[in-house]
Amino acid sequence: SQQGEEDPQALSIQEGENATMNCSYKTSINNLQWYRQNSGRGLVHLILIRSNEREKHSGRLRVTLDTSKKSSSLLITASRAADTASYFCATDDSGNTPLVFGKGTRLSVIA
Amino acid sequence: ETGVTQSPTHLIKTRGQQVTLRCSSQSGHNTVSWYQQALGQGPQFIFQYYREEENGRGNFPPRFSGLQFPNYSSELNVNALELDDSALYLCASSTGQRTYEQYFGPGTRLTVT
Repeated sequence: SQQGEEDPQALSIQEGENATMNCSYKTSINNLQWYRQNSGRGLVHLILIRSNEREKHSGRLRVTLDTSKKSSSLLITASRAADTASYFCATDDSGNTPLVFGKGTRLSVIA
Repeated sequence: ETGVTQSPTHLIKTRGQQVTLRCSSQSGHNTVSWYQQALGQGPQFIFQYYREEENGRGNFPPRFSGLQFPNYSSELNVNALELDDSALYLCASSTGQRTYEQYFGPGTRLTVT
């Protein structure tokens, strides 16, 4: 079963704009991760945020986590055509339990 | 690119047949997890193998089975294929049972007709 939902399901923006995706989950978590998937291929790990962290940055990525609202957001700044992909959040509840993925957001960046 | 490889890349099978998918884990990793990703959905956990033993299973029927070998590579076997088994099958390797540090392979696309 899916842990939660990403919102929006699909997002289309112009190159150079910022893209924001949200993830909601249902149960307590230990870590939350964001992955990228190009054209139905393998998943690429982007960033991990622990339950005791509120914000994390990695290059053009910014992730926030609000455990009281059971939600996270992924911000991609200055988007590029190469950022076109599906983005998934995944949670684990103890660090050694299976990852539970959302349904993903399909991002299209138009050059 | 991760060091995780999967074979074959694509596969077409007929309903009722059996299929074996293969995964080679990244060097130094002793745990392999398998996921099924239906079209338009997120990956769903099938099972995990740690040091050649099944170490957790998702909500999948017994016709989904697996193996892990001494070199930590792994197989996913699916018997009595159904149309709904059509999906992208992903394997991920990690060290120990730390599922938060998984490295995914490129996947095998299975089509059941």
